[in-house]
Amino acid sequence: EAGVTQSPTHLIKTRGQQATLRCSPISGHTSVYWYQQALGLGLQFLLWYDEGEERNRGNFPPRFSGRQFPNYSSELNVNALELEDSALYLCASSLGLYGEQFFGPGTRLTVL
Amino acid sequence: GQSLEQPSEVTAVEGAIVQINCTYQTSGFYGLSWYQQHDGGAPTFLSYNALDGLEETGRFSSFLSRSDSYGYLLLQELQMKDSASYFCAVRHLGSSNTGKLIFGQGTTLQVKP
Repeated sequence: EAGVTQSPTHLIKTRGQQATLRCSPISGHTSVYWYQQALGLGLQFLLWYDEGEERNRGNFPPRFSGRQFPNYSSELNVNALELEDSALYLCASSLGLYGEQFFGPGTRLTVL
Repeated sequence: GQSLEQPSEVTAVEGAIVQINCTYQTSGFYGLSWYQQHDGGAPTFLSYNALDGLEETGRFSSFLSRSDSYGYLLLQELQMKDSASYFCAVRHLGSSNTGKLIFGQGTTLQVKP
């Protein structure tokens, strides 16, 4: 069974640009979560999508947004990029709210 | 607010046993999960406790005491490949934190020969 996949692996942008990160959950999983992990720090919860709806979001500004598609894949968009947005962005999926969250390999975003 | 405390670093020798503690303060607590992460790779799920007591999975065990807001991960027969960061994470239900995994800052385990 394929795990959570994310693309791209690496992404380099400049300040003020927009970044789009993509995630495909494990087959059958309906919930997708996004986390940010800045260098040397823990994971910070960003967003949770389930059945196409945003269910909860972390303490991040509105320029962090996303969506979930009918096939349960998800997209994270970061607008007006700032230097401090440089981080590893991790996507996880679960079989509903009560299931364990399984993580993808992440997208390394670098903002210059 | 919510907070999780775990030691920043632990060092042990191959073959030994190590315990990584985690204390938490949060509302809507549902369960405590543990993840392993090697050098910026994907966090890998290790163990989960919703009820008090010990859960054993091979060389790894995890314990939870809800009354003490405390848990730990126990790693036995340490191997060099166990050198990694270990995160405790609280799962939430019935609060504004529903759906979130709130992570601790991670414990870097170094296993020496």
